[in-house]
Amino acid sequence: NAGVTQTPKFQVLKTGQSMTLQCAQDMNHEYMSWYRQDPGMGLRLIHYSVGAGITDQGEVPNGYNVSRSTTEDFPLRLLSAAPSQTSVYFCASSYRGSSSYNSPLHFGNGTRLTVT
Amino acid sequence: KNEVEQSPQNLTAQEGEFITINCSYSVGISALHWLQQHPGGGIVSLFMLSSGKKKHGRLIATINIQEKHSSLHITASHPRDSAVYICAETNFGNEKLTFGTGTRLTIIP
Repeated sequence: NAGVTQTPKFQVLKTGQSMTLQCAQDMNHEYMSWYRQDPGMGLRLIHYSVGAGITDQGEVPNGYNVSRSTTEDFPLRLLSAAPSQTSVYFCASSYRGSSSYNSPLHFGNGTRLTVT
Repeated sequence: KNEVEQSPQNLTAQEGEFITINCSYSVGISALHWLQQHPGGGIVSLFMLSSGKKKHGRLIATINIQEKHSSLHITASHPRDSAVYICAETNFGNEKLTFGTGTRLTIIP
């Protein structure tokens, strides 16, 4: 199993550009989620999904879109990049939801995004 | 909104010392996660617990639901334990994780 695969590893965008961060898992996990990590602020939830066709907003959803057309994939779209979106982005998945007992999170390796 | 606070923010210790990292939260939860973030940035799950105590090798996690407090202990610490340790909480029926800001642990040989 590859686990959770995130691409790209690094990305530089200009303000106003759009892009998609890819996240795929091969563990048949129901729950997938996106986080951003900024210095001094810890990880913050952007969007999450509890299954194919179901998504919901997290703590900081503005400027980001998600979709979950398959169990395996959960892409994160930046619609019009802004310098405030410069961050490290992590995707994570778990078998059930994050509150389900014995359903630990599996993280991707992260994407370092810089918006100039 | 639940608040998650970790202490200390930074901890430096000598190899072999017993380490304790604390995590407090403000409202009732269903699950408490402990994560480890390596210096290279990767994040791995150490524990997920809703009550009592769990042990894996030299790591022990405990949670006190009444006091809304969890601790992560490392026995016989080693330089390879140097990392950022993060706690996170979630509630039943609400799959939104809230994270602490992390504790940076440095173990000196």
